[in-house]
Amino acid sequence: NAGVTQTPKFQVLKTGQSMTLQCAQDMNHNSMYWYRQDPGMGLRLIYYSASEGTTDKGEVPNGYNVSRLNKREFSLRLESAAPSQTSVYFCASSERRDTGELFFGEGSRLTVL
Amino acid sequence: LAKTTQPISMDSYEGQEVNITCSHNNIATNDYITWYQQFPSQGPRFIIQGYKTKVTNEVASLFIPADRKSSTLSLPRVSLSDTAVYYCLVVTGSSNTGKLIFGQGTTLQVKP
Repeated sequence: NAGVTQTPKFQVLKTGQSMTLQCAQDMNHNSMYWYRQDPGMGLRLIYYSASEGTTDKGEVPNGYNVSRLNKREFSLRLESAAPSQTSVYFCASSERRDTGELFFGEGSRLTVL
Repeated sequence: LAKTTQPISMDSYEGQEVNITCSHNNIATNDYITWYQQFPSQGPRFIIQGYKTKVTNEVASLFIPADRKSSTLSLPRVSLSDTAVYYCLVVTGSSNTGKLIFGQGTTLQVKP
């Protein structure tokens, strides 16, 4: 079982470039999330999608956009990357939001020069 | 939002029981408490969740007092492989509206 798959695993960008992080889950989960994790810090919620067709802002949404393409896929886009967006990005999914049982991908390490 | 507070780090030795406490003073009636484990270069992994009293599974136990303002994750007889960061998560709000906010995490170092 693949679970939650993120691509790419590693990416280096120059300031001002754009890119999209892809996430797909095969567990038929309703909710999906994007988190970022900076060195030595906890996870911060960027955006989430409670169900197909809906998205909402998390703690740190500035500089990001998301698309819930279908029930399986949830993408995160950086329109104009900045060095402050250097981080490890994790996608997660859950069947239900109210119990918080999240399944995480392995992460995408992004460096912005 | 129910903010969580955990110790930044803890040390233990192999074979000991480890208890990590999370404070969540503003927890609401419908909120659940969930704990995650994260190894370096990996995504967090769900360990256990609970609402009140005590929950036990094959990995850990979760103790939640009656006022629910804190919770304690208990890891029995830890081994070196339990060295990781442990996160407490309070799921705030009702289904499909709450935001899943993680605390800062507790780095557990298990020594031989």
